[in-house]
Amino acid sequence: NAGVMQNPRHLVRRRGQEARLRCSPMKGHSHVYWYRQLPEEGLKFMVYLQKENIIDESGMPKERFSAEFPKEGPSILRIQQVVRGDSAAYFCASSPPTGGWSYEQYFGPGTRLTVT
Amino acid sequence: AQSVTQLDSQVPVFEEAPVELRCNYSSSVSVYLFWYVQYPNQGLQLLLKYLSGSTLVKGINGFEAEFNKSQTSFHLRKPSVHISDTAEYFCAVSDNAGGTSYGKLTFGQGTILTVHP
Repeated sequence: NAGVMQNPRHLVRRRGQEARLRCSPMKGHSHVYWYRQLPEEGLKFMVYLQKENIIDESGMPKERFSAEFPKEGPSILRIQQVVRGDSAAYFCASSPPTGGWSYEQYFGPGTRLTVT
Repeated sequence: AQSVTQLDSQVPVFEEAPVELRCNYSSSVSVYLFWYVQYPNQGLQLLLKYLSGSTLVKGINGFEAEFNKSQTSFHLRKPSVHISDTAEYFCAVSDNAGGTSYGKLTFGQGTILTVHP
């Protein structure tokens, strides 16, 4: 069973460009979480999605950031008009649909975004 | 709201020595507790978790942690470390009161464990 997959692993964008980060959850998992790890900091929750629904986006910046998890295909975290402060590692985690949400999240390897 | 404090940002130890990585949390509701390990340029791997029951939990790679509710702590221990344990360790909590937390994790700042030969 393949683990959580994220691509690209490394992404370089110039200021003002768009960044698209993809996350394919583990097989059978229908819940996806996105976290951001800024340099020298721990991970911070951004958004929690189930298939076709955003359940909790309380950690998402109000502007330029959006996320989706379509019925088919990976979850996408989209950052428009990137700025240097967006440079970070973005991690996706998935969990199985056990009782609404599970106690254990399985993390992908992350996408390291560098904004130049 | 919850918060997690990892009291040491860096812990250097010699190989085969014991180690304790400290974690304290604050929460207005009861919580689930987790320790994750992150090797360089990799994602997070779950070491162990406390959901309920025995306060001493054992995880992978010989690690264990003890939940102390009165001290709101969840310290991670290993009696004898190896070079391969060199990594960053994160303590995390999620609230178990149901409602709208949806299992999202609140992480500490991380502790870098460096094992020297």
